[in-house]
Amino acid sequence: AQSVTQPDIHITVSEGASLELRCNYSYGATPYLFWYVQSPGQGLQLLLKYFSGDTLVQGIKGFEAEFKRSQSSFNLRKPSVHWSDAAEYFCAVVRSYGGSQGNLIFGKGTKLSVKP
Amino acid sequence: EPEVTQTPSHQVTQMGQEVILRCVPISNHLYFYWYRQILGQKVEFLVSFYNNEISEKSEIFDDQFSVERPDGSNFTLKIRSTKLEDSAMYFCASSSGPGDTQYFGPGTRLTVL
Repeated sequence: AQSVTQPDIHITVSEGASLELRCNYSYGATPYLFWYVQSPGQGLQLLLKYFSGDTLVQGIKGFEAEFKRSQSSFNLRKPSVHWSDAAEYFCAVVRSYGGSQGNLIFGKGTKLSVKP
Repeated sequence: EPEVTQTPSHQVTQMGQEVILRCVPISNHLYFYWYRQILGQKVEFLVSFYNNEISEKSEIFDDQFSVERPDGSNFTLKIRSTKLEDSAMYFCASSSGPGDTQYFGPGTRLTVL
């Protein structure tokens, strides 16, 4: 079955430092991959997505992610973190077997804290 | 920019009561979804809806749950007899096609006492 693993439950970085959030997926073919962000008390906002083509995708708020098929990974990066980036980040893959209509399978999320 | 809206933002109910959570998907989208997130846990798929019928549901979506598109704009999730373990944040999402980007609403926090 398809699954998404986010190995880091909680990460703390200093403001201005670089960030990388890890995401690994299990799926045989090329997956559709997403990163969503959830600020406290808010809904899920799409940061970026990968469907096909260029493996480095750019998103909103200065985020990017790189799809690496050989490592089954889709890590999220940002070169310089801002205090407003403190939130929970979810990696997700579209379920695409068994006649699925494309529901998302989410990882458990990584909570990002930003130190001043 | 079009967005998914949900009402109410917070619903408190007694165990055994019925609740209806409402969503207005993005107007030109055809696929609708409900997910839930129990506090501290990951977001889980409940049900997808297309062409006025359920297209897929998870094992969580038992007979206590139902969905409906009562008119051209609303999409509702009904829980017939709420249980304590139904307490969660419920998210509605919509997309233009299966596998396309799903846009999420802000969620309804359901608290069952």
